[in-house]
Amino acid sequence: AQKVTQAQTEISVVEKEDVTLDCVYETRDTTYYLFWYKQPPSGELVFLIRRNSFDEQNEISGRYSWNFQKSTSSFNFTITASQVVDSAVYFCALSDGSGGSYIPTFGRGTSLIVHP
Amino acid sequence: KAGVTQTPRYLIKTRGQQVTLSCSPISGHRSVSWYQQTPGQGLQFLFEYFSETQRNKGNFPGRFSGRQFSNSRSEMNVSTLELGDSALYLCASSLGHGADTQYFGPGTRLTVL
Repeated sequence: AQKVTQAQTEISVVEKEDVTLDCVYETRDTTYYLFWYKQPPSGELVFLIRRNSFDEQNEISGRYSWNFQKSTSSFNFTITASQVVDSAVYFCALSDGSGGSYIPTFGRGTSLIVHP
Repeated sequence: KAGVTQTPRYLIKTRGQQVTLSCSPISGHRSVSWYQQTPGQGLQFLFEYFSETQRNKGNFPGRFSGRQFSNSRSEMNVSTLELGDSALYLCASSLGHGADTQYFGPGTRLTVL
């Protein structure tokens, strides 16, 4: 069965600090997909990134970067020089086709609070 | 391209009533999934529809049902509402192939009194 753990329930930082959100996953499949979503107070989950299990290359998009390590089953997300607008709940999700379905399993989320 | 839209955005109902929520997916997307989000349980999968057929179902009682129309729009219905049904109901659409990325709507905030 697939499982996603986001051990950090809440992180509080001051603007311009770097912050890393951890995501650890469990799956028996060799083919799987990992996602990060952002949920601002408005409620809508905003898609940030999708990564498949065969691509361990790290990704950088502006102030956002992702570190995928299969050896530790982790897919961590770093925000560089955080801003107040980054305040939101961030979800990591895993989709592995177990049981014939690719319905993603979401972690419990990490609430990031960026203080001015 | 317009995103996923959900109506209504907010609903207040009383116990025992029923409610219907609507979701319009991104144009060209054939799969619509519904999720319930509560502080206690997090994001829980309700069901997925693809080409007007329920393709997957989560672990929810039969009071929760849904359907999809030929234009891919979807509705979910909750009958005999209970206090515990108060939640944010999120709809997500995707192309519908394998582990396609799901794109979410703004959600419907349901409060049951």
